[in-house]
Amino acid sequence: DIQMTQSPSSLSASVGDRVTITCRASQSISSYLNWYQQKPGKAPKLLIYAASSLQSGVPSRFSGSGSGTDFTLTISSLQPEDFATYYCQQSYSTHGAFGQGTKVEIK
Amino acid sequence: QLQLQESGPGLVKPSETLSLTCTVSGGSISSSSYYWGWIRQPPGKGLEWIGSIYYSGSTYYNPSLKSRVTISVDTSKNQFSLKLSSVTAADTAVYYCARGVIVVVPAGSPYNWFDPWGQGTLVTVSS
Repeated sequence: DIQMTQSPSSLSASVGDRVTITCRASQSISSYLNWYQQKPGKAPKLLIYAASSLQSGVPSRFSGSGSGTDFTLTISSLQPEDFATYYCQQSYSTHGAFGQGTKVEIK
Repeated sequence: QLQLQESGPGLVKPSETLSLTCTVSGGSISSSSYYWGWIRQPPGKGLEWIGSIYYSGSTYYNPSLKSRVTISVDTSKNQFSLKLSSVTAADTAVYYCARGVIVVVPAGSPYNWFDPWGQGTLVTVSS
């Protein structure tokens, strides 16, 4: 089974900072990688699909990149509403494993 | 706008079977462009994919849960369901249902992702 590993597990950042979250797959998954945002007490929300495609309605400060085993979610200028937990998910196989999550907290 | 709503008991006894239903509104559950999935989240922890069911009726389950999980669809009610047998306290979690979107590309396997999700329902396993 494909395992997904995110780093860091948590980070502290200030409004306006550029934030980068990394996701690594245990084997090549081409660009079959999705990113979700989850706020406390809420369901996850799709941000990025197919590694770099921005979901409709998601602000352009969010971007995704990568292919193969290494992927990145970047927030170009962190906004107050972006403090949340972010998850990657592989869709290369039918077993859609998630990463363990990265919590973005206020510094 | 498509909406999903989970329903079912919030408390299940150990060794019994957890049963949840997801009702889909604002769209049909019968489309080859979509599949339907269950995902759970133990309190304070991350997301765990439980399984998915496709238009063809094919089901795929997390290997760690496969022996205890059944996902089915009732197209007449626009619903799909989850059954998890022999539950223990480790199965206590918020359970989400979600629509899986399938996009076919000219070369390679289809891309897919979960969107939207239901609001989630907390199921506690306790005597």
